[in-house]
Amino acid sequence: QVQLVQSGAEVKKAGASVTVSCKASGYAFTSTYYIHWVRQAPGQGPEWMGVLDPRDGTTNYAQKFKGRATMTRDTSTSTVYLELSSLRSEDTALYYCARSQLWPLSLDSWGQGSLVTVSS
Amino acid sequence: DIQMTQSPSAMSASVGDRVTITCRASRAINNNVAWFQQKPGKVPQRLIYGASSLQSGVPSRFSGSGSGTEFTLTISSLQPEDFATYYCLQHNGFPLTFGQGTKVEIK
Repeated sequence: QVQLVQSGAEVKKAGASVTVSCKASGYAFTSTYYIHWVRQAPGQGPEWMGVLDPRDGTTNYAQKFKGRATMTRDTSTSTVYLELSSLRSEDTALYYCARSQLWPLSLDSWGQGSLVTVSS
Repeated sequence: DIQMTQSPSAMSASVGDRVTITCRASRAINNNVAWFQQKPGKVPQRLIYGASSLQSGVPSRFSGSGSGTEFTLTISSLQPEDFATYYCLQHNGFPLTFGQGTKVEIK
């Protein structure tokens, strides 16, 4: 079955960068699916950050994260990465990867989440 | 960007009640809406996709309706395991946007 397995929790200082990984299995990684990143701050709703097309690495970021978030992939290991730089306390959140078809874009499978804590 | 206005933000209901949650889109999005249930400390679980299609394995007491700008999630008879927070998601294009959530609590 489809599985998205994410890396573990991270604690970072403000101003640092963090990289979270998401390893996909159970389907053809470079076929007709996108990988999205969604974050959820404590007590808040989910927030879409952006999307990566594993076929060619094309990305589309939410305006809020342009210039600070970078999504990449390694097709040899079916893994997608999210790097977030210039961390601030407001970036403390659970970061999820999720899959969608190329169309429609409904998120049908989610990773377990990676907690990123930013301390000052 | 498309805004999704979800209401109510919270509600109290009893087991057996019929519950309705609404999302209004800031512009027409065809039927490109999904509904998710999230329990504390858990990953969001998709209940409905394409505005009205029931996700495999989800009980039939959950249903979705709507098209264009108005969408509804209905729980026909609330069960104890349904107390959770519910989110709508519009996926008519990038950026995807979520509603603010509806917390369904026990009355």
